[in-house]
Amino acid sequence: EAGVTQFPSHSVIEKGQTVTLRCDPISGHDNLYWYRRVMGKEIKFLLHFVKESKQDESGMPNNRFLAERTGGTYSTLKVQPAELEDSGVYFCASSQDWGEGNEQFFGPGTRLTVL
Amino acid sequence: ELKVEQNPLFLSMQEGKNYTIYCNYSTTSDRLYWYRQDPGKSLESLFVLLSNGAVKQEGRLMASLDTKARLSTLHITAAVHDLSATYFCAVESNFGNEKLTFGTGTRLTIIP
Repeated sequence: EAGVTQFPSHSVIEKGQTVTLRCDPISGHDNLYWYRRVMGKEIKFLLHFVKESKQDESGMPNNRFLAERTGGTYSTLKVQPAELEDSGVYFCASSQDWGEGNEQFFGPGTRLTVL
Repeated sequence: ELKVEQNPLFLSMQEGKNYTIYCNYSTTSDRLYWYRQDPGKSLESLFVLLSNGAVKQEGRLMASLDTKARLSTLHITAAVHDLSATYFCAVESNFGNEKLTFGTGTRLTIIP
């Protein structure tokens, strides 16, 4: 079974540009999460989708970040316009909706560098 | 707000030695997770601890949970080089499908 995949693995952009990150969860997982780790800090929650609906977006830092999950499958996280402090590693995770299958499985992350 | 403290941040130890990583959290929680991350790789799930007194072991790693003390430990026995990685604990604030709050991570280096 394929795990959580993320694209791209690395992205280097200039301040002011736009970047879109993509996450494909494990097939059948209704829950999709975005997290971020900036340099030297802990991994922080950004938001949580249940299918196509935003369950919790309390961790989104500001309105430059837009997450979507059309059709309840893959998700995108767009940063527009990017700022220097947005640099970090963005992780996506997914989990099932029931039982002990609630464990979150993480993708490899997208390393974003804003110059 | 749930806070998770993990220590130490860095740990350098010799092969064959034992050591413990500690994870304290600030509010009641039903679930605690331990993850391992190798450089440039994904977070790999090691243990899911679901109740007070839970103890799980896998190879040279053993994790335990004391919900009354709000403390989890990850114990390493007779360390070997391939255990070198960064270890994170993460706490889920409510049962099922809730966000994880992570500790800062412990970068473990095993010296031959």
